[in-house]
Amino acid sequence: DAGVIQSPRHEVTEMGQEVTLRCKPISGHNSLFWYRQTMMRGLELLIYFNNNVPIDDSGMPEDRFSAKMPNASFSTLKIQPSEPRDSAVYFCASSTGDRGSYNEQFFGPGTRLTVL
Amino acid sequence: EDKVVQSPLSLVVHEGDTVTLNCSYEVTNFRSLLWYKQEKKAPTFLFMLTSSGIEKKSGRLSSILDKKELFSILNITATQTGDSAVYLCAVGALNNAGNMLTFGGGTRLMVKP
Repeated sequence: DAGVIQSPRHEVTEMGQEVTLRCKPISGHNSLFWYRQTMMRGLELLIYFNNNVPIDDSGMPEDRFSAKMPNASFSTLKIQPSEPRDSAVYFCASSTGDRGSYNEQFFGPGTRLTVL
Repeated sequence: EDKVVQSPLSLVVHEGDTVTLNCSYEVTNFRSLLWYKQEKKAPTFLFMLTSSGIEKKSGRLSSILDKKELFSILNITATQTGDSAVYLCAVGALNNAGNMLTFGGGTRLMVKP
């Protein structure tokens, strides 16, 4: 199994540009999580999907952030317009289990985003 | 609001020492507590604990959960330089939206030769 796949691994962009981060969860996993990690704030959960449906997006910082999961094998996290304070490592993780249960999450390698 | 607090924030030991990392939590509808190790890249899973008093063990690492006092400890015996990492504690709780995972701030462990 290839594990959780994220792309790109690194992204450098200028303030105001649109950024799209991509994630392919482990096959058979039906929960997908987007996290952001910074030195100042640590690891934060942004949004969580179960069976392709967004369950809780209370961690999404503001309207500039949006996430979609059009099918069980693909999700995107979009930032438009990007700002320097969005610079962070963005992790995608997946797990098994239905809403109402909890299982181990497997993390992707992360996307390091730098907004200049 | 759910809260997970880890201590100490950082720790420096020498190879061969034993360390104990702490994680305390305040969550509603607790389901599980997880320990992760994060080196330079993504977190990797160590343990998941759901029941009090049952020790989970993997080599030199072990962990136990106390659901009455709301904490967990992660022990590492005979530490090695390869144990140097940030250790993250996360608590899974069931809320109205479903499953939520709240992470602590981590303990940064440095093992010197």
